[in-house]
Amino acid sequence: DTGVSQNPRHKITKRGQNVTFRCDPISEHNRLYWYRQTLGQGPEFLTYFQNEAQLEKSRLLSDRFSAERPKGSFSTLEIQRTEQGDSAMYLCASSLEGISGNTIYFGEGSWLTVV
Amino acid sequence: DAKTTQPNSMESNEEEPVHLPCNHSTISGTDYIHWYRQLPSQGPEYVIHGLTSNVNNRMASLAIAEDRKSSTLILHRATLRDAAVYYCILRDQAAGNKLTFGGGTRVLVKP
Repeated sequence: DTGVSQNPRHKITKRGQNVTFRCDPISEHNRLYWYRQTLGQGPEFLTYFQNEAQLEKSRLLSDRFSAERPKGSFSTLEIQRTEQGDSAMYLCASSLEGISGNTIYFGEGSWLTVV
Repeated sequence: DAKTTQPNSMESNEEEPVHLPCNHSTISGTDYIHWYRQLPSQGPEYVIHGLTSNVNNRMASLAIAEDRKSSTLILHRATLRDAAVYYCILRDQAAGNKLTFGGGTRVLVKP
């Protein structure tokens, strides 16, 4: 049983560059979440998908951020024109919605450092 | 989202039980109580969840107050690998079912 997979695990980029993170959820999980976590803080919700539909976006998800899940399987999170404040760990999670007690499983995260 | 209150940190000795309290006085009838933990440099890991009754699994036990306004996560015998930040979260199935994290409790286990 493979868990939630995130790539790349670490990314260092210059301010102003674009970056993209990929998330492969657990097979057959229909719901996928993105969170952001900065040092010393708990994860903050960004957005989630039910299959390919993006159902909710946090106010934290500025216009520079875009997430997609085109075929209802893997997802990408793109950050355009990165700023130093974007430096954080980006977490992906998935679950099988529609059953009772559906657990949300997290990936290991993708660390972004903007220099 | 309903909020939870947890102590910032707790210390325990190895092989002793750890009781992690969580207050959630504004809990609603549809809120499940979930606990996750996060080891350094890793993503959060599911620990346990419950609605009204106490729950046990291989990782921990969850004791829920009768009025559901508080709960306690119990680690029966702490090991050094249990050192982590533990998050108590109310998950509302009527509001997208997402997890809203607070600050959590940092648990330090002393050998």
